[in-house]
Amino acid sequence: KAGVTQTPRYLIKTRGQQVTLSCSPISGHRSVSWYQQTPGQGLQFLFEYFSETQRNKGNFPGRFSGRQFSNSRSEMNVSTLELGDSALYLCASSVDRWETQYFGPGTRLLVL
Amino acid sequence: GESVGLHLPTLSVQEGDNSIINCAYSNSASDYFIWYKQESGKGPQFIIDIRSNMDKRQGQRVTVLLNKTVKHLSLQIAATQPGDSAVYFCAELNYGGSQGNLIFGKGTKLSVKP
Repeated sequence: KAGVTQTPRYLIKTRGQQVTLSCSPISGHRSVSWYQQTPGQGLQFLFEYFSETQRNKGNFPGRFSGRQFSNSRSEMNVSTLELGDSALYLCASSVDRWETQYFGPGTRLLVL
Repeated sequence: GESVGLHLPTLSVQEGDNSIINCAYSNSASDYFIWYKQESGKGPQFIIDIRSNMDKRQGQRVTVLLNKTVKHLSLQIAATQPGDSAVYFCAELNYGGSQGNLIFGKGTKLSVKP
């Protein structure tokens, strides 16, 4: 069974731009969570989607948004990028909401 | 709020030795814990999990121990190999809240010396 896939793997943007990241969960997994990982803050929860609905949201500004499609694939969007948004963005999927999460390789975003 | 923390940020061991990575958790009601391994440039990889109704669980070369009395979790790696070099995170199941469904510790970096 294929693992969680994320595209693109690397991205360079400039301040003020917006970006969309994509995540394809493991087949059969219905829950998708997104995390931001930085050296200073570690793994921080962004949001969780289940059955196309956002079920939970972390403490991030409204510039961070996401959605989930009927096939469980998910996207996250960051608008008006700031230098501090440079990070590794990780997507994790699980069969159900409170089950083991399996992570993708991440998308490394660099904001210049 | 509740949190999961690690005692040691770095651990250096000799190849072939056993490694022990520790984790303290604060929510005595937590009933599910997971250990992840993250290699440089990769996403966290599931290693092993344990439910609160167990105090020990073994996998291939790894053992997780849970001591609910002192709210302590540990990951033991037998015969540590260079490929085990990575950052290890413990995670605690959290039923809702702005921290998400899993609360992660800050991680312990394991370095294996040949």
